[in-house]
Amino acid sequence: GQQLNQSPQSMFIQEGEDVSMNCTSSSIFNTWLWYKQDPGEGPVLLIALYKAGELTSNGRLTAQFGITRKDSFLNISASIPSDVGIYFCAGQLSGTASKLTFGTGTRLQVTL
Amino acid sequence: NAGVTQTPKFRVLKTGQSMTLLCAQDMNHEYMYWYRQDPGMGLRLIHYSVGEGTTAKGEVPDGYNVSRLKKQNFLLGLESAAPSQTSVYFCASKKDMVQETQYFGPGTRLLVL
Repeated sequence: GQQLNQSPQSMFIQEGEDVSMNCTSSSIFNTWLWYKQDPGEGPVLLIALYKAGELTSNGRLTAQFGITRKDSFLNISASIPSDVGIYFCAGQLSGTASKLTFGTGTRLQVTL
Repeated sequence: NAGVTQTPKFRVLKTGQSMTLLCAQDMNHEYMYWYRQDPGMGLRLIHYSVGEGTTAKGEVPDGYNVSRLKKQNFLLGLESAAPSQTSVYFCASKKDMVQETQYFGPGTRLLVL
């Protein structure tokens, strides 16, 4: 089965730093989604992107839907300790019962 | 609203045993999904349902069966557990085809010895 490639796999950053992660696919998707998973919890949706080239923000988070529809990136500005977790991208095709294909995840650690 | 709940939270099985994982949602959602999460592999779709009485195979359905007899419940069954089914299982639900957000449960950790 297909999995999206996410990079980096893990990041160790200091509080206050900006973070950037991306996701690439060999296939086109109509929708890109970014989720965050806290330890012992299920993923929670952060941002949804619906059009190629779309740039969307949610507080300190900014995500973009790549022009080719095969990639997306997520930026976190001025990181804080509660940003710790695993971030997943997910791609969705129209008309597929909303099935998601998830990326392999980026584990973020924030040090004080 | 409790959202999406999963039972049990943790279970240990011996190879060959069977069990059923229960997912319940109180949001009147049409769509429900079962995923498994393994280290370094993200979430993979096992089975899904687009409404009461319907089920369909996802990416990794082998060794699992599901049922959606009631709209609010989605059951995942393992008929004969294997060590390769050791994983964390997540259930999710979504309101309908238009609404994008899938709401996830807290997960069930399964260890098969």
